[in-house]
Amino acid sequence: DGGITQSPKYLFRKEGQNVTLSCEQNLNHDAMYWYRQDPGQGLRLIYYSQIVNDFQKGDIAEGYSVSREKKESFPLTVTSAQKNPTAFYLCASSIRVEADTQYFGPGTRLTVL
Amino acid sequence: GDSVTQMEGPVTLSEEAFLTINCTYTATGYPSLFWYVQYPGEGLQLLLKATKADDKGSNKGFEATYRKETTSFHLEKGSVQVSDSAVYFCALHGSGGGADGLTFGKGTHLIIQP
Repeated sequence: DGGITQSPKYLFRKEGQNVTLSCEQNLNHDAMYWYRQDPGQGLRLIYYSQIVNDFQKGDIAEGYSVSREKKESFPLTVTSAQKNPTAFYLCASSIRVEADTQYFGPGTRLTVL
Repeated sequence: GDSVTQMEGPVTLSEEAFLTINCTYTATGYPSLFWYVQYPGEGLQLLLKATKADDKGSNKGFEATYRKETTSFHLEKGSVQVSDSAVYFCALHGSGGGADGLTFGKGTHLIIQP
C-alpha cells in the first residue's frame, strides 16, 4: 500500500536535547511538508521541500531543521533552540510542486519532559 | 495573507441530525478549498475538495460548495452518525502556485451523541 509513515508515534525528550522525527513516503511525490499542531489550533507550516536537496522555511521554522537527501524521506529535527517543542507533528506530501492536494501521515506526538 | 475562519466548537448533535460547519476564507485569486477530518490521535484525512467557483465537493455523505461571492465553503451532511465524531479542518491552497503549504482554520470538534 502506498502512503506516508511517521515514526515514532510517541516521543519523549528531555529539555536541551535535539530529536529527529522520521517521515517516509512511497507515493513518488516530489513535494513534502512538516506541520505543527497545538491543541485548539490549526496546523502551522514549519518547512517544506519541493524537490530533493531543496527546502524552504514555512511560517514557524525557528528552532527546527530539515534535510531532503532522498525523494522519499524528509526528516525533521527539533533542536534545543525550539522554546516550546511539545506538540503533534504532521508530515504531508503532494504529487508535484503545482499540486494542491496534500496527503498526511499519522503524526508524531512529541513531549518534552 | 491568506486566512481561513471556521466556527468554534465543540459542536454537539444527536445522531441523524443535520450538520453544517461554517467556513469562510480570505485569499487573492482563486484558491483551492478543502475539508480534512482528524480522528483522535491520528493524522488528517482528505474529506473533499473543490478547485473553482460553484464546484461541489462530496464524499461519504458530506458536501461543500465553493462560493466565490461569499468566500465560503460550508460543510454539510444530511444525517450524521456517531462515527462522524472527529475534528474537521477547512483549508485553502493559494492560487499562486508553488509547493507552499495549506492554510488551515483552527478546526471544529464535532461530537455526535447516540
